[in-house]
Amino acid sequence: TQLLEQSPQFLSIQEGENLTVYCNSSSVFSSLQWYRQEPGEGPVLLVTVVTGGEVKKLKRLTFQFGDARKDSSLHITAAQPGDTGLYLCAGSPYNQGGKLIFGQGTELSVKP
Amino acid sequence: KAGVTQTPRYLIKTRGQQVTLSCSPISGHRSVSWYQQTPGQGLQFLFEYFSETQRNKGNFPGRFSGRQFSNSRSEMNVSTLELGDSALYLCASSLAPVGQINEQFFGPGTRLTVL
Repeated sequence: TQLLEQSPQFLSIQEGENLTVYCNSSSVFSSLQWYRQEPGEGPVLLVTVVTGGEVKKLKRLTFQFGDARKDSSLHITAAQPGDTGLYLCAGSPYNQGGKLIFGQGTELSVKP
Repeated sequence: KAGVTQTPRYLIKTRGQQVTLSCSPISGHRSVSWYQQTPGQGLQFLFEYFSETQRNKGNFPGRFSGRQFSNSRSEMNVSTLELGDSALYLCASSLAPVGQINEQFFGPGTRLTVL
């Protein structure tokens, strides 16, 4: 069974602080996505990483895919209250069509 | 482009009943996947349909079923509802995985409560 371990599960920080969320697996994925979910809504796709070692930046968010394609990280610089939400990583197993394996999620709260 | 739509948004049922949820994918998307989200288990893959065929299935009992129509719209059905089926059911559509890319776009979900 393929699993994605996401940590930390909960994170409460002050506005302006930096943070990193980790997503680890013993399995190799063909690609990995990061989503953000607000209460009562569906997850919204933030980024897709495909190549081992790939780094993508989205304003204050930096995403990295591990060299072995088994892990990923999300780093937020100078967090703002608008960053509050549930962050989810999701891996795409090889040859399993549209199936995604999700991490448990990181509940981020940024206080003004 | 309109996003993924799901109906109904909220549903209350009692144990033993059955329920049908509907999903309309983004125009042009041929793959539709369904997920169950609960506080304890997170997001779990139910099944995926592509060109009216179930292409992949998660580890859920046979009470959970689905189908896809020729216009790519999809429905999922849960029979003999149990209390543990209370969850947010999410539908996601994609063009269809192309090579290594599997970008899925989610609807707002249907919140099912089983009493």
